[in-house]
Amino acid sequence: NAGVTQTPKFQVLKTGQSMTLQCAQDMNHNSMYWYRQDPGMGLRLIYYSASEGTTDKGEVPNGYNVSRLNKREFSLRLESAAPSQTSVYFCAITLMGGTGGHNEQFFGPGTRLTVL
Amino acid sequence: RKEVEQDPGPFNVPEGATVAFNCTYSNSASQSFFWYRQDCRKEPKLLMSVYSSGNEDGRFTAQLNRASQYISLLIRDSKLSDSATYLCVVNAGNQGGKLIFGQGTELSVKP
Repeated sequence: NAGVTQTPKFQVLKTGQSMTLQCAQDMNHNSMYWYRQDPGMGLRLIYYSASEGTTDKGEVPNGYNVSRLNKREFSLRLESAAPSQTSVYFCAITLMGGTGGHNEQFFGPGTRLTVL
Repeated sequence: RKEVEQDPGPFNVPEGATVAFNCTYSNSASQSFFWYRQDCRKEPKLLMSVYSSGNEDGRFTAQLNRASQYISLLIRDSKLSDSATYLCVVNAGNQGGKLIFGQGTELSVKP
């Protein structure tokens, strides 16, 4: 997983509860991403961080907040979980100038979240 | 129109078959193209980058047609272990490392 870890692996929440998904990388990469994956929808970008201390919205940011306090960690917070946020969440890092000069992304193992 | 569109699946093929996946993208500014493989309930993993001149990695061949904004992946001599979902991925033009993912095409290789 190119050194990308995510916790927890599984989580069940009740509507209205809050939680933080953690992502950490040990490869010293600048760019980190949070995606959600739903059946038939592909991966959709929630938020990303080009470098420590900076974050930007992706395609589906509503209902989420993120924090990039240091280069290693990028967390995703659900302040008031809703059933529509039931999904699989993947964190990713970008390997700049990978094979053939392309910027390749490597993913963590994912967090499977169910909101009841 | 989706930014990256793939053949709807699933593809069910016998072992040894040749199978081709097609993908189109809408952003003419995209410069990087990839095929990712995703096994059931696992994270996507990079299968191969796609180069302008086309490239081959063993049984896998990727092609890019910039004029038509079309990408393909050919798998020859399919193995049972090739069963997975294949994701077509392009970078979001001039937006740094951001990638756009297709919805994926599921492949099932049967004995």
